Amino acid sequence: DAGVIQSPRHEVTEMGQEVTLRCKPISGHNSLFWYRQTMMRGLELLIYFNNNVPIDDSGMPEDRFSAKMPNASFSTLKIQPSEPRDSAVYFCASSFGNIQYFGAGTRLSVL
Amino acid sequence: DAKTTQPPSMDCAEGRAANLPCNHSTISGNEYVYWYRQIHSQGPQYIIHGLKNNETNEMASLIITEDRKSSTLILPHATLRDTAVYYCIPNAGNNRKLIWGLGTSLAVNP
Repeated sequence: DAGVIQSPRHEVTEMGQEVTLRCKPISGHNSLFWYRQTMMRGLELLIYFNNNVPIDDSGMPEDRFSAKMPNASFSTLKIQPSEPRDSAVYFCASSFGNIQYFGAGTRLSVL
Repeated sequence: DAKTTQPPSMDCAEGRAANLPCNHSTISGNEYVYWYRQIHSQGPQYIIHGLKNNETNEMASLIITEDRKSSTLILPHATLRDTAVYYCIPNAGNNRKLIWGLGTSLAVNP
């Protein structure tokens, strides 16, 4: 298996634009997690899904952030409108059981 | 979820054992201790986990004290590629979310 695949690897956008981050989990995994990492706040869980259903979205910063998982092999994290403070590395992870496997991340810069 | 205390940074000479401590004095009886690491510019990587017995795999060994209030991750022969931030995370499993602290930044020096 290729592991968790995230795209794009890097995204540079201007304030106010919509940003969509994509994640393909490992085949057979039933849980998917979206994280954000910054120097100031470390690694924060934004939302996670079990069997495509959102279980805990308490980490989503505000209504500008939304996440979907339309099927077991694909998830998106959308920011609309984006702001400079959203600049961070966004990680997706998947699991079957209790061990999480992470993607390489998307480095987002909002100018 | 139990809180953890880890030293912010440690150094180790290449080829020597790296012993990374973690204090988790409020750990619950059903919580395992998970260790992950994050190499610079990469996503975190699972290393090992245990409940109360010592564990060993191809990457590391995990020593958990009898009272389960602390544990030590041992990299028996550290290499330069082991330079990373190491996270100790108590978790009850069942796909519950992991609470990430600041971890220990390990520098392996030639």
